[in-house]
Amino acid sequence: EAGVVQSPRYKIIEKKQPVAFWCNPISGHNTLYWYRQNLGQGPELLIRYENEEAVDDSQLPKDRFSAERLKGVDSTLKIQPAELGDSAVYLCASSRETGGLYNSPLHFGNGTRLTVT
Amino acid sequence: SQQGEEDPQALSIQEGENATMNCSYKTSINNLQWYRQNSGRGLVHLILIRSNEREKHSGRLRVTLDTSKKSSSLLITASRAADTASYFCAPSNQGGKLIFGQGTELSVKP
Repeated sequence: EAGVVQSPRYKIIEKKQPVAFWCNPISGHNTLYWYRQNLGQGPELLIRYENEEAVDDSQLPKDRFSAERLKGVDSTLKIQPAELGDSAVYLCASSRETGGLYNSPLHFGNGTRLTVT
Repeated sequence: SQQGEEDPQALSIQEGENATMNCSYKTSINNLQWYRQNSGRGLVHLILIRSNEREKHSGRLRVTLDTSKKSSSLLITASRAADTASYFCAPSNQGGKLIFGQGTELSVKP
């Protein structure tokens, strides 16, 4: 099966500019996750979708971050406006399982490395 | 929070040696997962061990779980240069989040 696809791989923007990341999960995976990973740290969950519903967005900075998963398939994460502290790798993952049980592995994409200057 | 904490933060060994990484967590769990991340890539799932399991094997990987001590370990036997990567544990409980620790950076020298 094809893996999780993310684009772009790299993005460099100036602060206060908008930026968007795209993710296409593995076919048939109902749950989609966006994580942020700072250098030398583990991934931190931003938002979890089950189909098209955001079921956990408690860690998403809603003043500048937004996400959508139209039709319950691919997803877009947006930052507007970007700040210097947003520089990180943004990872998308998907899994078959719903309900937040984590009895199945997560499949990750290779991420988008964002640099805000 | 179910965040796992890995120990050591960095480990450097020679090819052929065994590598052991430890993970501790604070509350009861449903299961615990281990992932590997090569530089510039996404995380790859290695093993999932359930709370009622004590040991699990996959190829050269061996994972143990001690729920009484709230700890897990990942052993890589006969390490290879290709095992060089960061390794993360991620405990979870039912209905909770899967929270990753800071990881152990493993370097295997040829």
